[in-house]
Amino acid sequence: DIQMTQSPSSLSASVGDRVTFTCRTSQSISTYLNWYQQKPGKAPKLLIYTASSLQSGVPSRFSGSGSGTDFTLTISSLQPEDFATYYCQQSYSIPVTFGQGTKLEIK
Amino acid sequence: QVQLVESGGGVVQPGRSLRLSCAASGFTFSSNAMHWVRQAPGKGLEWVAVISYDGSNKYYGDSVKGRFTISRDNSNNTLYLQMNSLGPEDTAVYYCAKSPRGWSIKDPFDIWGQGTMVTVSS
Repeated sequence: DIQMTQSPSSLSASVGDRVTFTCRTSQSISTYLNWYQQKPGKAPKLLIYTASSLQSGVPSRFSGSGSGTDFTLTISSLQPEDFATYYCQQSYSIPVTFGQGTKLEIK
Repeated sequence: QVQLVESGGGVVQPGRSLRLSCAASGFTFSSNAMHWVRQAPGKGLEWVAVISYDGSNKYYGDSVKGRFTISRDNSNNTLYLQMNSLGPEDTAVYYCAKSPRGWSIKDPFDIWGQGTMVTVSS
């Protein structure tokens, strides 16, 4: 199975900040990396697919990059509604695996 | 609008069975692969199973293989998860999720249901 490691596990930031999350995989997955946002008590929501493609309806302040084993999700200017937990997911091979999540908190 | 609504969760004793359902609307259900994903309380996301658009291909996570069965009824736009030999480790919110295409494991999960809670406890 492909192991996913997200860092940091948690992050405190302020509205307007630029933040970057990292996801590393245990083997190369090309660009088959997706990012989801989850708010408490809600289902995950797809933000970015195939490493850098913005899902329809997602604000352009979200961006993704990377290939191989190292990936990043960047929020260019944090908004109050962005405080949530973010998960990366590899869809390169079965079993699909997720990172452990990064919790973004208000400073 | 595109919508997935899970049902069938509840409290069940260890060793018993439960069947979850996921009702789909707002898209051509028979054209899309579907997944189940679960999330234990306070934990991260765990992929459970996938089924192709026509039901001919199915794959499972190691922790549920041999105990859970994914199926679908395209005539009724419904996805199922039959869960047998349940244990406390299966306690979680179970989400169904849609793939944008009929069969490609390389696709993201573009639409998720709201989830249904399964609690395994005596």
